[in-house]
Amino acid sequence: GAVVSQHPSWVICKSGTSVKIECRSLDFQATTMFWYRQFPKQSLMLMATSNEGSKATYEQGVEKDKFLINHASLTLSTLTVTSAHPEDSSFYICRGSGGRTEAFFGQGTRLTVV
Amino acid sequence: AQSVTQLGSHVSVSEGALVLLRCNYSSSVPPYLFWYVQYPNQGLQLLLKYTTGATLVKGINGFEAEFKKSETSFHLTKPSAHMSDAAEYFCAVSREGSGNTGKLIFGQGTTLQVKP
Repeated sequence: GAVVSQHPSWVICKSGTSVKIECRSLDFQATTMFWYRQFPKQSLMLMATSNEGSKATYEQGVEKDKFLINHASLTLSTLTVTSAHPEDSSFYICRGSGGRTEAFFGQGTRLTVV
Repeated sequence: AQSVTQLGSHVSVSEGALVLLRCNYSSSVPPYLFWYVQYPNQGLQLLLKYTTGATLVKGINGFEAEFKKSETSFHLTKPSAHMSDAAEYFCAVSREGSGNTGKLIFGQGTTLQVKP
C-alpha cells in the first residue's frame, strides 16, 4: 500500500527554536497534505491543508506564521514550528492524498519543547 | 456542520469477548465514515470505511461496522477480542464534499483495553 514517511518520529527542542517536520509520499504523488495535531489523550485536530504549489489553508485559530507549511513538490511537504514554546508540545501527524482511493497517514512526530 | 461523537472514552473487554465501540455522526449530506486504529506514538491505520453501497462494511483484523442512517450510527464491532486489539480507536466523517480522501472530522477517540 501507499506510504507516507514522516520524520522525525520524535524531537526535543529548546524553547524559542524552530523545528521542521517532513512528510514524504513514497509511492504516490501527494497533491494534498493535511496536517493534524493531537494532544495527549485527545482527538486529532486539523491544522491546515496544503496543495502542491499553493499556499496552505489554515483552520480557524491556527497561527499561520507560527506553523509554516511548505508543499513545493508532489512528494514532500514540511511543517515548521517556529519559535516553539512548551505549549506547542504535541503529536503532529500528516496525511497525504492524491491519485489513490484513500489518503494515508504518516507515523506522526512527537514534539517536546523544553 | 458535521460532527462525530464516540460514546465511551474507555472500553474494557476480556480476551475473546465481543468488542463494540460506538460512533454517532451528524451530517447534512450522505456521509463517508471511517474507523481508524492508533497504537501509542504511531500514526493512524485505516480499519474500514463506508462510502456508498453495502451498509455492513468489513475491515482488517476481523473488525466490521454497520452504517445505520436511521440511527446516524456507525458502530465498530469484532466478535472476539485479542490482546493485540488494545489501542485507541477513532471514528471519523469526511467533511462535506471532501469525499474519500479529503478533510476528516474525528471523534474523541475510545481507548480499548483487553484483559487476559
